[in-house]
Amino acid sequence: EAQVTQNPRYLITVTGKKLTVTCSQNMNHEYMSWYRQDPGLGLRQIYYSMNVEVTDKGDVPEGYKVSRKEKRNFPLILESPSPNQTSLYFCASSLKGLAGYNEQFFGPGTRLTVL
Amino acid sequence: GENVEQHPSTLSVQEGDSAVIKCTYSDSASNYFPWYKQELGKRPQLIIDIRSNVGEKKDQRIAVTLNKTAKHFSLHITETQPEDSAVYFCAAGNTGGFKTIFGAGTRLFVKA
Repeated sequence: EAQVTQNPRYLITVTGKKLTVTCSQNMNHEYMSWYRQDPGLGLRQIYYSMNVEVTDKGDVPEGYKVSRKEKRNFPLILESPSPNQTSLYFCASSLKGLAGYNEQFFGPGTRLTVL
Repeated sequence: GENVEQHPSTLSVQEGDSAVIKCTYSDSASNYFPWYKQELGKRPQLIIDIRSNVGEKKDQRIAVTLNKTAKHFSLHITETQPEDSAVYFCAAGNTGGFKTIFGAGTRLFVKA
């Protein structure tokens, strides 16, 4: 089944404790992205990647890191989480077509709480 | 920086009526405008999209219009049904890259 998976789905942690949220897609998509969703603010792009070893900042990259060593995986790293990073996180992927990218397929989301 | 404004934030309609959600974008380089629907507790899913070389696109009860000059695009849902109740997000992007700006969302209630 074609899908985007994220782990963990729920995480409660404490300030300063490094964590990684994994994202994997099995659709051979070139594009991958991380978003955070907060009430009243919609989806805000954190980082995106257009291919292996190619990443770029989105609108809200501060406090986050990413890497794209393999086409299928795009982990999100919080080196020193803070309470303002409490949010619902979505990973998404998209196929590169002739006219650029198309539909984004979203993962199920990761609800992160930083105490 | 670039932004996408979406209105209204909440919309309540009677079943069978039409619903219209409007978005305005700021980046003139944007050329791809998708709309996503997010049901409660679920992930966003694409319902329709439009590219800048097209002024209107329709898929059954859903249509999207684009005015590039005014930097406006709108979602139209006709003959609304209770299952249309969800949060709808517009977005603007440039297909030369992958940077995507989403609107803040519209919560649509369809009353039976």
